[in-house]
Amino acid sequence: GDSVTQMEGPVTLSEEAFLTINCTYTATGYPSLFWYVQYPGEGLQLLLKATKADDKGSNKGFEATYRKETTSFHLEKGSVQVSDSAVYFCARTNNNDMRFGAGTRLTVKP
Amino acid sequence: ETGVTQSPTHLIKTRGQQVTLRCSSQSGHNTVSWYQQALGQGPQFIFQYYREEENGRGNFPPRFSGLQFPNYSSELNVNALELDDSALYLCASSSQPRGSGNEQFFGPGTRLTVL
Repeated sequence: GDSVTQMEGPVTLSEEAFLTINCTYTATGYPSLFWYVQYPGEGLQLLLKATKADDKGSNKGFEATYRKETTSFHLEKGSVQVSDSAVYFCARTNNNDMRFGAGTRLTVKP
Repeated sequence: ETGVTQSPTHLIKTRGQQVTLRCSSQSGHNTVSWYQQALGQGPQFIFQYYREEENGRGNFPPRFSGLQFPNYSSELNVNALELDDSALYLCASSSQPRGSGNEQFFGPGTRLTVL
C-alpha cells in the first residue's frame, strides 16, 4: 500500500487565502519528512523538511510540523500568492526508502 | 555551482527497444537516485547509487539497471521497453545517502515516450 497519502487535488484558492494540504505517512522507525514543489515545466524543489518528531519545517511562508502521534505532516501557508501555483508533493524517507505522495495541484487565482 | 543535469530532455522509443538516460550530479555530491514519475503521479523510487555501488532499490524489474561512474555521474538503462514505461524519469543527487535525511536536488527530468 501507499506509504504517503496526501490530500487529493486540484485545490483552487483566491490570492491571500489560507492553505492546508494534508499529508499522512506510514513507516517503520523514525522517518524524515519533506515537502517538495514542482512548478510548471520544472523539476522538484525541496520546500521544507523535518527530521524528527515535533520539528517544524518552514520556508517562503510555508510551514509543516512533524506529528508522530498522528503520523502527519500537513503543509500550511497563511496567505497564498499566484506564484504559489504548482504541484506539491509530500515525501518520507526511512533508511534507504524514499516514498512520495501522488501530489496536490494548487492553483491560486488573483 | 552546477546543478543536476539530465539528458536527453525528451526521447521517443518503440516497444521492445532499449534506452539509456544520463544524469550529472551536483558538484560535491556522491549519491544519485533515480525516480519514475508517471503522468499525474508522484515519483516512484527506482534505485540509488552511492560511491558507484547500488545502495537500495525500489519495486522495479531487473530490466531497469544503472551505473554510477567515478565522477558520480549516472546512467539509467531500461531494456525491453513497455508502453507503461512512458514517464518522466527524474534523477536526484545528494551529498549523502537518503537514510541520513539529507536534501536531494532534482534534475529537470527526461520525458520518455514508448510507442
